[in-house]
Amino acid sequence: EAGVAQSPRYKIIEKRQSVAFWCNPISGHATLYWYQQILGQGPKLLIQFQNNGVVDDSQLPKDRFSAERLKGVDSTLKIQPAKLEDSAVYLCASSGRTAANYGYTFGSGTRLTVV
Amino acid sequence: QKEVEQDPGPLSVPEGAIVSLNCTYSNSAFQYFMWYRQYSRKGPELLMYTYSSGNKEDGRFTAQVDKSSKYISLFIRDSQPSDSATYLCAMRMYSGGGADGLTFGKGTHLIIQP
Repeated sequence: EAGVAQSPRYKIIEKRQSVAFWCNPISGHATLYWYQQILGQGPKLLIQFQNNGVVDDSQLPKDRFSAERLKGVDSTLKIQPAKLEDSAVYLCASSGRTAANYGYTFGSGTRLTVV
Repeated sequence: QKEVEQDPGPLSVPEGAIVSLNCTYSNSAFQYFMWYRQYSRKGPELLMYTYSSGNKEDGRFTAQVDKSSKYISLFIRDSQPSDSATYLCAMRMYSGGGADGLTFGKGTHLIIQP
C-alpha cells in the first residue's frame, strides 16, 4: 500500500509571498487532514476533509490559509501572504476509519521556511 | 494550561532499559488515546491506540490509560538504539463520525545509548 504523498519536501519563501502544498492520500481513504507542526511542538490540526467536504476548519487561520480537496482525492493547502511564524512542517494525513487502525497515516511533510 | 502536557526531554537511557513516557491532560472529554513515534524529518507513525482505561500490550510496547487521573503512559521494554525518536501522545473526543482531529502533546525526545 503506497503511503501519503506530499510535495514539495522543502520550500523557502520570503514573507508576504504565497506558497502551496500538495497531498495525495492513501487510495480509498475518505478522510484527509492537514496539520501544522512548529519546531519543538506537536502537530496542530488545521483542517479535516471528509471526501471533498470540510468537517472541521476551526483552527485554520482563514485570513491567510486556504485548502481544497477537489474530487475527494488530492488536496492543496495554500498560504497567502506568508508570515515568519508560518515556518513549520505541514503534515498531511489520511484515514480509512477501519476499526483495527483508527489512527492516521501521515506523510513525511513539507518543511516551510519563511525568511 | 495546555490541554495535553508532555515533558519534551531529552530522555537518555542505556540500551536494554525500560523506558517510561507520560502525558497528562485536562479535558475529561478525551476518550481515545494514541502514541506516535516520529523519526527526524519523517511524519508521525502510529504505535498504540487505546480507548478505555487499562493496559494494552503490543510486543515490547505497553500503553496505559488512567482516565480518573487523566494520565497516560507508554512503556518500552528492552529498549533498542532504533527506538531513538520523538514520542508523541495524542488524544481525541468521541466524534460520532464527524470531526475527529487529534490533540497532540509536544513530544518527548528519547535517546537510547548503545
